[in-house]
Amino acid sequence: AQKVTQAQTEISVVEKEDVTLDCVYETRDTTYYLFWYKQPPSGELVFLIRRNSFDEQNEISGRYSWNFQKSTSSFNFTITASQVVDSAVYFCALIVSGGYQKVTFGTGTKLQVIP
Amino acid sequence: NAGVMQNPRHLVRRRGQEARLRCSPMKGHSHVYWYRQLPEEGLKFMVYLQKENIIDESGMPKERFSAEFPKEGPSILRIQQVVRGDSAAYFCASSPPRTGSYEQYFGPGTRLTVT
Repeated sequence: AQKVTQAQTEISVVEKEDVTLDCVYETRDTTYYLFWYKQPPSGELVFLIRRNSFDEQNEISGRYSWNFQKSTSSFNFTITASQVVDSAVYFCALIVSGGYQKVTFGTGTKLQVIP
Repeated sequence: NAGVMQNPRHLVRRRGQEARLRCSPMKGHSHVYWYRQLPEEGLKFMVYLQKENIIDESGMPKERFSAEFPKEGPSILRIQQVVRGDSAAYFCASSPPRTGSYEQYFGPGTRLTVT
């Protein structure tokens, strides 16, 4: 069975601070995909990134960066110079190869950026 | 190319009534997934369907819930005799027919409120 743990339930930061959202996953499969989604107050799910298990290269996209470490089964997400518009719930998620592609979500981290 | 469409966006039902949630996948997608997000929680997988087939319904409650994806028309998630505990956001996702894509595109969700 798969599991995704987001230990941080809520985080508050002051605008322009950097913030890291933690994600730890569990799976016995060697081929899997990891995702991050953003859910703003409006409620929709916004896709941020997909990473496969064979690609441990870190990725940067603007103010967003992701650190994937298989050794610790972690896929952490950092927002640099946070902005009020970053306030949302962020979900880490996992799909395993051959698992009918059903997504296992973490419980989410609610980020509040204070102006 | 329109994204995944769900309607209605908001649905209010009294206890004991039926709720029908519709999902139109992206054009060319033949795989549909339904997820439920209870208040203050992450999304949980419910069911995975292909055209005219239920592939995996391991996340569906045993009673009152059913899903279909007919040859023509949208996928339908049906909840009979709703109870207050059914109040949640229901998300639909779709993916292309080719295997190994591991891409799921989420709709905006339907927020069901049972009074």
